Amino acid sequence: QKEVEQDPGPLSVPEGAIVSLNCTYSNSAFQYFMWYRQYSRKGPELLMYTYSSGNKEDGRFTAQVDKSSKYISLFIRDSQPSDSATYLCATTISSGSARQLTFGSGTQLTVLP
Amino acid sequence: EPEVTQTPSHQVTQMGQEVILRCVPISNHLYFYWYRQILGQKVEFLVSFYNNEISEKSEIFDDQFSVERPDGSNFTLKIRSTKLEDSAMYFCASRREGQTEAFFGQGTRLTVV
Repeated sequence: QKEVEQDPGPLSVPEGAIVSLNCTYSNSAFQYFMWYRQYSRKGPELLMYTYSSGNKEDGRFTAQVDKSSKYISLFIRDSQPSDSATYLCATTISSGSARQLTFGSGTQLTVLP
Repeated sequence: EPEVTQTPSHQVTQMGQEVILRCVPISNHLYFYWYRQILGQKVEFLVSFYNNEISEKSEIFDDQFSVERPDGSNFTLKIRSTKLEDSAMYFCASRREGQTEAFFGQGTRLTVV
């Protein structure tokens, strides 16, 4: 079983739509959750970071974590063509100093004008 | 805004040659990482580095790989004898002590021919 599973898409939506991106994970030791945005052939750019179950909002972005079902989501409101990118979920364990990230495979999003 | 910088952006090398990928982490960060992304695949953890030593490494990080912090600002990844399968994007990342979120550079695209 993969540690972090993410629907690769591709996902195509019209401008202004609400986008829902999702990941599941298998390891209960994962306690920190991040969403990164990656443009083609560029480095991952940190969008959201959360630790607790529940919602965290930042502008048009909302990260949601449900630790009981091991499910994490990213919602994008009023999506824009500039949001077109690959979105990566990532997680890490709470103990240990290294805190290396385990990534999902990424969901490719296209927002059509 | 501080950022992680990587050089070169693209490196082409012949199989069997040694390559050194260079990174300048964000200045007040103490944890440094190398990740790899083979085209079309997940971002994978290679190694973490703290206090001038490796703190964690993955199965990918075998004897052909080494890391070094040769001075107060640079962090390097050396691949001693490159193989065709080493062709990938290599990302450097760093984070502050006490925080979990890591910030990535734009990557070095390594092509082994």
